[in-house]
Amino acid sequence: KNQVEQSPQSLIILEGKNCTLQCNYTVSPFSNLRWYKQDTGRGPVSLTIMTFSENTKSNGRYTATLDADTKQSSLHITASQLSDSASYICVVIGTSGTYKYIFGTGTRLKVLA
Amino acid sequence: KAGVTQTPRYLIKTRGQQVTLSCSPISGHRSVSWYQQTPGQGLQFLFEYFSETQRNKGNFPGRFSGRQFSNSRSEMNVSTLELGDSALYLCASSSKLQGGEQYFGPGTRLTVT
Repeated sequence: KNQVEQSPQSLIILEGKNCTLQCNYTVSPFSNLRWYKQDTGRGPVSLTIMTFSENTKSNGRYTATLDADTKQSSLHITASQLSDSASYICVVIGTSGTYKYIFGTGTRLKVLA
Repeated sequence: KAGVTQTPRYLIKTRGQQVTLSCSPISGHRSVSWYQQTPGQGLQFLFEYFSETQRNKGNFPGRFSGRQFSNSRSEMNVSTLELGDSALYLCASSSKLQGGEQYFGPGTRLTVT
């Protein structure tokens, strides 16, 4: 069964600290893996998109890694800011037949001053 | 360039009624996808339209339907509403069919009483 699991479910860190969010998936075959940031009450915003052949991709203070062999991805946030408080969602696009968007349930991050 | 807009932003309906939600994609985008987001299930894919044709469909009952117009605007309809249909309904537009970068709207919060 195609699944995407994220950990931890929630995380609290102090402003300025780094953190890493995990995404494990069983989707196969897949086209790409995406990380989204979703602020409360708003739609998700794309942070990174990686194909199966890419190992790492950065977007400012956000760096995503992908290990297609172990089917794991991580999102590393450097020097966190209060505005990083949001839910972070991992999405894997499967390509068995038509494209299938399989979403993780997200990690809720809170950054404290 | 204006972003994805969704109307209405909030809606309260009674069980058994039907509802129509509207989505206007980014100018030039021909793909519109719809998603349901609930606290328990997270984001789930409903369907994708491209050039007025449904190209991809998730695992939702036939009460959920949609359409796309020649100007790429899309509507989603839910008939015979159930309490479990209470959710945030998000639409996303893309310039490409299946797998292109998606830009999400703010969502419509539907409450069924």
